[in-house]
Amino acid sequence: QVQLVQSGAEVKEPGASVKVSCKASGYTFTGYYIHWVRQAPGQGLEWMGRIDPNSGGTNYAQKFRGRVTMTRDTSINTAYMELSRLRSDDTAVFYCARGYCSGGTCRPFFDYWGQGTLVTVSS
Amino acid sequence: QSALTQPASVSGSPGQSITISCTGTSSDVGGYNYVSWYQQHPGKAPKLMIYDVSNRPSGVSNRFSGSKSGNTASLTISGLQAEDEADYYCSSYTSSVTMVFGGGTKLTVL
Repeated sequence: QVQLVQSGAEVKEPGASVKVSCKASGYTFTGYYIHWVRQAPGQGLEWMGRIDPNSGGTNYAQKFRGRVTMTRDTSINTAYMELSRLRSDDTAVFYCARGYCSGGTCRPFFDYWGQGTLVTVSS
Repeated sequence: QSALTQPASVSGSPGQSITISCTGTSSDVGGYNYVSWYQQHPGKAPKLMIYDVSNRPSGVSNRFSGSKSGNTASLTISGLQAEDEADYYCSSYTSSVTMVFGGGTKLTVL
């Protein structure tokens, strides 16, 4: 069965960086995009960007460009999201989600989600 | 990219039907048949309920349906049940080759 398992909660100081991992299993990792979504406490979902694990190609939301880097390691079926220059308002749960693909064509919706990783930014 | 507009809250009694709207622009909702809907219970990850405007993934109840007219998409839940109480988010592909979510709607089953 498809699973996305994320790394554990993190506490960071303002100005630091955080790197969250998302380990995929149960499917061909390079066949599906991985998206990252942020959810601040009590707030809605916010799309951050996505990575194509096959090519490594990325596409980021305008809001996060310059601060976010998405990478992958195909040898261990894991995607990463690194957010730098953290601020207190970056405190949130970060989710990875699989983008649906079939027959080599990918469509813009998320069919499986990780369990979420809480990142707390506090001095 | 501005968030899509959803009502903050809707409510209904068991057995009733409710509709949640999701309004965007011609650069997102109106421009593509790529609207999806997600259900999120407190403390849980979102769950895909509708994709490509009106398609239901396997395992999702047929009480959930989606539609679109112009720049507004809608999610309808018929025969409301207590377990439907959750937050619901719409999402759309955009002309900037990005994705955008709605602000979310809290559904209360009275």
